[in-house]
Amino acid sequence: ETGVTQTPRHLVMGMTNKKSLKCEQHLGHNAMYWYKQSAKKPLELMFVYNFKEQTENNSVPSRFSPECPNSSHLFLHLHTLQPEDSALYLCASSQETGFYYNEQFFGPGTRLTVL
Amino acid sequence: KQEVTQIPAALSVPEGENLVLNCSFTDSAIYNLQWFRQDPGKGLTSLLLIQSSQREQTSGRLNASLDKSSGRSTLYIAASQPGDSATYLCAVTGGADGLTFGKGTHLIIQP
Repeated sequence: ETGVTQTPRHLVMGMTNKKSLKCEQHLGHNAMYWYKQSAKKPLELMFVYNFKEQTENNSVPSRFSPECPNSSHLFLHLHTLQPEDSALYLCASSQETGFYYNEQFFGPGTRLTVL
Repeated sequence: KQEVTQIPAALSVPEGENLVLNCSFTDSAIYNLQWFRQDPGKGLTSLLLIQSSQREQTSGRLNASLDKSSGRSTLYIAASQPGDSATYLCAVTGGADGLTFGKGTHLIIQP
């Protein structure tokens, strides 16, 4: 595997289900991100993990719960979602040095549909 | 709050033409600006990254410029090809660690 991978690629779930999205980066980076892409709206930052610590939570509802067990893996746990949460969820990673912000590399995304 | 605007929202041109995509941002206090392309149903592919201290970056037929003080960037595509058809996204990094994106320009190159 190379780059940033995400599983599953497609997910359909009911509003009462609990599911998790997984992201893995094979680039040796130390920062990982979750973004949401809804129809007709710009990509929105959800969470940032830098050196495994969450540094940004962009006012995301608590039904989305991130987990970053190490610098290579990032999860997004989902529970009691709403139909408006249907979107493409993208994971990204970058190497942050603290001196300047570096290029972010994206995975292919998980297309989520909430029924 | 940073806002990024991309003009035009959609563009259709014949193959072989040179074209320019525009991006503007409201807060000039950025660390860098990144251009991406996104194919339908796919993730993002990074095209060019311009640090705030730089004026432009080039990769093959692509050239991106940055005028930080006026809050503008352009992406120039030379000798366009049908394979260039995609949505092009502009994004900036500001005080937060993540990127702020525009809505994108949907580009179609007609064979």
